[in-house]
Amino acid sequence: GENVEQHPSTLSVQEGDSAVIKCTYSDSASNYFPWYKQELGKGPQLIIDIRSNVGEKKDQRIAVTLNKTAKHFSLHITETQPEDSAVYFCAAYAGGTSYGKLTFGQGTILTVHP
Amino acid sequence: ETGVTQTPRHLVMGMTNKKSLKCEQHLGHNAMYWYKQSAKKPLELMFVYNFKEQTENNSVPSRFSPECPNSSHLFLHLHTLQPEDSALYLCASSQDIANEKLFFGSGTQLSVL
Repeated sequence: GENVEQHPSTLSVQEGDSAVIKCTYSDSASNYFPWYKQELGKGPQLIIDIRSNVGEKKDQRIAVTLNKTAKHFSLHITETQPEDSAVYFCAAYAGGTSYGKLTFGQGTILTVHP
Repeated sequence: ETGVTQTPRHLVMGMTNKKSLKCEQHLGHNAMYWYKQSAKKPLELMFVYNFKEQTENNSVPSRFSPECPNSSHLFLHLHTLQPEDSALYLCASSQDIANEKLFFGSGTQLSVL
């Protein structure tokens, strides 16, 4: 089955700096890669996603890149703000016989210091 | 608000108790999921329902029993739990199981004493 590794487990940055979180996956059939943000006391919320036919996607201050050959994808947050502080999860989805199965990474606790 | 509501938000139960977690989605989705979130571990998929039919049981112990009476409601019945079952239980929904975009509720924080 799919295995997703996420690094780092914790990340501390100053407000205005950039933050990068990286994930690798094992199943070459995976074709959809979402990123979720979980704030304290809430469930994870989808913030950006990318499909395997695209190498990069951007939405305002956040962007995701995908390297299919190397089987890794990354989340980039620019001009970080204190409200970006949360736990971020990457995930991979293969579809096919894996319908309904998103495999999540272990999560990254991002802290943005004012 | 994500359109997925879970109750209760917090639950403390003894190992001999029987309790139920409830999830309701107002998004018109047809697939619903239970996930377990433990500290320092990835989210673990427990059960998947598509159009009220269970399509996945991810080797979950029988002390967890799901129920999906219709596409909008999902329950997780709990009995004779163990302390290691203490975790945040998250419900999610999607248009159907072929649609990968999940919408999560805020979860039920369960403590088993």
